[in-house]
Amino acid sequence: NAGVTQTPKFQVLKTGQSMTLQCAQDMNHEYMSWYRQDPGMGLRLIHYSVGAGITDQGEVPNGYNVSRSTTEDFPLRLLSAAPSQTSVYFCASRPRGAYNQPQHFGDGTRLSIL
Amino acid sequence: AQSVTQLGSHVSVSEGALVLLRCNYSSSVPPYLFWYVQYPNQGLQLLLKYTTGATLVKGINGFEAEFKKSETSFHLTKPSAHMSDAAEYFCAVSFSGGSNYKLTFGKGTLLTVNP
Repeated sequence: NAGVTQTPKFQVLKTGQSMTLQCAQDMNHEYMSWYRQDPGMGLRLIHYSVGAGITDQGEVPNGYNVSRSTTEDFPLRLLSAAPSQTSVYFCASRPRGAYNQPQHFGDGTRLSIL
Repeated sequence: AQSVTQLGSHVSVSEGALVLLRCNYSSSVPPYLFWYVQYPNQGLQLLLKYTTGATLVKGINGFEAEFKKSETSFHLTKPSAHMSDAAEYFCAVSFSGGSNYKLTFGKGTLLTVNP
């Protein structure tokens, strides 16, 4: 049982480059989300999805795009990387509507923008 | 709007001492509360959760937390700290209903355990 899988684990980009962070889950969870973690800031919600074809913005969506074509996958796209996007990114999932259930987290992608 | 405040960004204890990590929340409806732990260079792992029922909840690794509605608190405790408890701890809150699917996190408390 793989749970939530994020790739890559580490990435270095130059300013202006684009890239996609991958997230896949095998638990048939409808709800998936992306967070960024910065020192002293906790985890901040970037985008989330409550099912295939449905996405919405979180607290810090600027500079990021998402799409949800399948239940399993929820990629996060950086359109034009900026140094301010240097962070650790976490993907999480849980069943839709299960507010009392914990989210399952991936191991994170550590991204550096030079 | 819901929010979470963790008092103390860094807590240092001696091995064998009591661990107390503080969390206060703000929510207009009954909350669901969670504590997660993050070891260095790893993802977040659930320690324990409060949904309904018993207000004292026990989690993994000897941790427990008590939901106190009157104080809007959900403090995390462990009677005797181990070196392996050194990690960052996050309190988080969500609530049911409406279109709010968010899990709101506190800013985290880094626990250091001294030998």
